[in-house]
Amino acid sequence: DGGITQSPKYLFRKEGQNVTLSCEQNLNHDAMYWYRQDPGQGLRLIYYSQIVNDFQKGDIAEGYSVSREKKESFPLTVTSAQKNPTAFYLCASTPGWGTEAFFGQGTRLTVV
Amino acid sequence: KNEVEQSPQNLTAQEGEFITINCSYSVGISALHWLQQHPGGGIVSLFMLSSGKKKHGRLIATINIQEKHSSLHITASHPRDSAVYICAVFQGAQKLVFGQGTRLTINP
Repeated sequence: DGGITQSPKYLFRKEGQNVTLSCEQNLNHDAMYWYRQDPGQGLRLIYYSQIVNDFQKGDIAEGYSVSREKKESFPLTVTSAQKNPTAFYLCASTPGWGTEAFFGQGTRLTVV
Repeated sequence: KNEVEQSPQNLTAQEGEFITINCSYSVGISALHWLQQHPGGGIVSLFMLSSGKKKHGRLIATINIQEKHSSLHITASHPRDSAVYICAVFQGAQKLVFGQGTRLTINP
């Protein structure tokens, strides 16, 4: 079955450590996205990529980095520069502009 | 003011009731999503619509482009419908803007 796989579902890290969240899709979608969700708030865009080897900053990109070396994969690194990294992170993909979005199951990151 | 506003933020109802969740947006859009998020966090797309009305089982979504408003209706609600329902609009180059969500609880 086609879909988006995020791993791990839960992740714990010590403060000051970088951590990479995985997002893989087998839907052959061109565009991929990373969103952050905090309690009581809507999803906010961190980064997006419309094509391999290209990505754009979203609304809250500071303290994050991404890569898009393969169409299927769009990993997100939460760096030590991110001041409040504890959150729920969602990956999504779309086949093209203005089309239906598909979402992963999310990764809940807790930094202690 | 958020670009996408949902109401109500929280809704509790009894099993069998007719449910309406509203979404208003202030930006030009190409399409609107209704999404469902269960307690585990995963999100499922319920509908994507750019005009008129769509129906899937007990769920109905409508959109009025001129009034920049969409509604999600659930008929014969059931406890398994309890979830957070999120409205999201496509704005510009593939950017999705999300509402804050409506937490729905259906009591048996």
